[in-house]
Amino acid sequence: NAGVTQTPKFRVLKTGQSMTLLCAQDMNHEYMYWYRQDPGMGLRLIHYSVGEGTTAKGEVPDGYNVSRLKKQNFLLGLESAAPSQTSVYFCASLEDSYSYEQYFGPGTRLTVT
Amino acid sequence: AQTVTQSQPEMSVQEAETVTLSCTYDTSESDYYLFWYKQPPSRQMILVIRQEAYKQQNATENRFSVNFQKAAKSFSLKISDSQLGDAAMYFCAYRSAQESGNTPLVFGKGTRLSVIA
Repeated sequence: NAGVTQTPKFRVLKTGQSMTLLCAQDMNHEYMYWYRQDPGMGLRLIHYSVGEGTTAKGEVPDGYNVSRLKKQNFLLGLESAAPSQTSVYFCASLEDSYSYEQYFGPGTRLTVT
Repeated sequence: AQTVTQSQPEMSVQEAETVTLSCTYDTSESDYYLFWYKQPPSRQMILVIRQEAYKQQNATENRFSVNFQKAAKSFSLKISDSQLGDAAMYFCAYRSAQESGNTPLVFGKGTRLSVIA
């Protein structure tokens, strides 16, 4: 039982490049989330999913797209990376709306130069 | 929209002493959850303690306890007998408990706690 895993752990991109961050959970959780963490800003919600095939926008969705084609995976895409997207990205999952604890992945540090 | 405010960007405490981290929140909902998360240098987010708004009794987990004041919309974390391993960033977070399933967390900006030996 690996919990929530994120791939990759670190990445450096040039402005305008694209990439996909992968989040995987093996707990059969319904809900999944992508947050970004910036210094002095706490964690802010980018997008989330309430089940396979569904996605919804969070607080800071611009410049990102997501997909949840399989229940266990939640992908975060950057089509044209910008320096403002330099951040640490966290994925989290929640069993269902009656559960308390969101389980977080280890984070991905992304630098856009 | 709900907001969470942590007014202390940094705090320090002597080892074995007690420290209290402050958190206030704004919401029009009556049913919700509040959480404190710890983020050590490893970056991993660790749930420390949670509080259900409908419960009047303050939550306690070993050396960690909260002071939940629903009317004042205040949710402080008390760490007793502070240890070097408590040094970390601490985040206060809010989550709706409505059946609509509005489950994302709303985080404060964090308080960095240093423990002095």
